[in-house]
Amino acid sequence: GEDVEQSLFLSVREGDSSVINCTYTDSSSTYLYWYKQEPGAGLQLLTYIFSNMDMKQDQRLTVLLNKKDKHLSLRIADTQTGDSAIYFCAEYHTGGFKTIFGAGTRLFVKA
Amino acid sequence: NAGVTQTPKFRVLKTGQSMTLLCAQDMNHEYMYWYRQDPGMGLRLIHYSVGEGTTAKGEVPDGYNVSRLKKQNFLLGLESAAPSQTSVYFCASSYSAGSNTNQPQHFGDGTRLSIL
Repeated sequence: GEDVEQSLFLSVREGDSSVINCTYTDSSSTYLYWYKQEPGAGLQLLTYIFSNMDMKQDQRLTVLLNKKDKHLSLRIADTQTGDSAIYFCAEYHTGGFKTIFGAGTRLFVKA
Repeated sequence: NAGVTQTPKFRVLKTGQSMTLLCAQDMNHEYMYWYRQDPGMGLRLIHYSVGEGTTAKGEVPDGYNVSRLKKQNFLLGLESAAPSQTSVYFCASSYSAGSNTNQPQHFGDGTRLSIL
């Protein structure tokens, strides 16, 4: 079946790197996304990776994709208190337009 | 540029009451979605629409109805609210394009609904 799995919590110290992991089950997914949700707000697209890539870097963000293991990760370098939020992994199925979201990882950044 | 706007932001209802949540987007997106977000469960798709005049059921459609009379608006209705429908409701929209086109969803800020 379709399922996107993430750990629910991650705590890091300010200035350290954060790594949020995600596993998905559908190898036909074309795009994989990371969304950020701040308190009281909706989800905002943070970054995405196309399935034929294995890495994408965007300033402090690095996305790694291991298609063989169906594993996606988001690394945030020099984590700041403003990075505290819930991060959602999502996969897009081109066959039926549908996007499947994980349950979200709550990132706590300690000063 | 407003993006996706949801109204109201908060609402408290009594069991059995009805209400309609409104979602409006100004990006000329074809696809629109309604999700509910509950603690530890992520986002669950209630209903969606692939264009004006069309609607379809998602993962958890029971107890909800939707309408897409205008391309920019997607309405979510609760005919007889139940406590199990207490949740945060998010509307989203995305472009319609070729199947291999990147189609990230754009979200509203949510409606927090409590059913007593």
